[in-house]
Amino acid sequence: GENVEQHPSTLSVQEGDSAVIKCTYSDSASNYFPWYKQELGKRPQLIIDIRSNVGEKKDQRIAVTLNKTAKHFSLHITETQPEDSAVYFCAASEADFNKFYFGSGTKLNVKP
Amino acid sequence: GAGVSQTPSNKVTEKGKYVELRCDPISGHTALYWYRQSLGQGPEFLIYFQGTGAADDSGLPNDRFFAVRPEGSVSTLKIQRTERGYSAVYLCASSLNLGLTYEQYFGPGTRLTVT
Repeated sequence: GENVEQHPSTLSVQEGDSAVIKCTYSDSASNYFPWYKQELGKRPQLIIDIRSNVGEKKDQRIAVTLNKTAKHFSLHITETQPEDSAVYFCAASEADFNKFYFGSGTKLNVKP
Repeated sequence: GAGVSQTPSNKVTEKGKYVELRCDPISGHTALYWYRQSLGQGPEFLIYFQGTGAADDSGLPNDRFFAVRPEGSVSTLKIQRTERGYSAVYLCASSLNLGLTYEQYFGPGTRLTVT
């Protein structure tokens, strides 16, 4: 089955700096890659996603890049703010969306 | 409109007991997923429903875990003979899975503690 690895497990940045979180996956059949933000004690919420026919997607301060050949994808947050502090999860799914495999999470701390 | 809801929010049970966890998806969402999230980990896939049928139950750890969705809406995750290792937050998510719309909306979770 699919194996999604995520790193770093923790990331501390100064407010205004950029943050990058990386994930790798093992199953070449995976073609949908969402990213979720989970604040302490709350439910995961989708922040951005990308399909395998696209190499990059941006939404304001957030961007995701995908390298299908290398089987890795990354989340980029620019101009970080304290409210970006949370745990971020990457995930991978095949075209039928039957199941999603999640990474182990990255705890992002943005210091004011 | 209303989001995904789960009840109870917390459940404490003794080892060996039976528990039921309920998920109310967003109205009209045909896809429903159950996940288990242990402390410091990402959600772990358990089972996926498309309508009333379990399209993929390959994530269920063993035959003590069972889930139903008889009318294609509300789903119940049933766990028999609970073990302490089953303690976790059980998350439910629903999705429209139609065309290009496949965003999963998560519920708040049920925190299960087996003593």
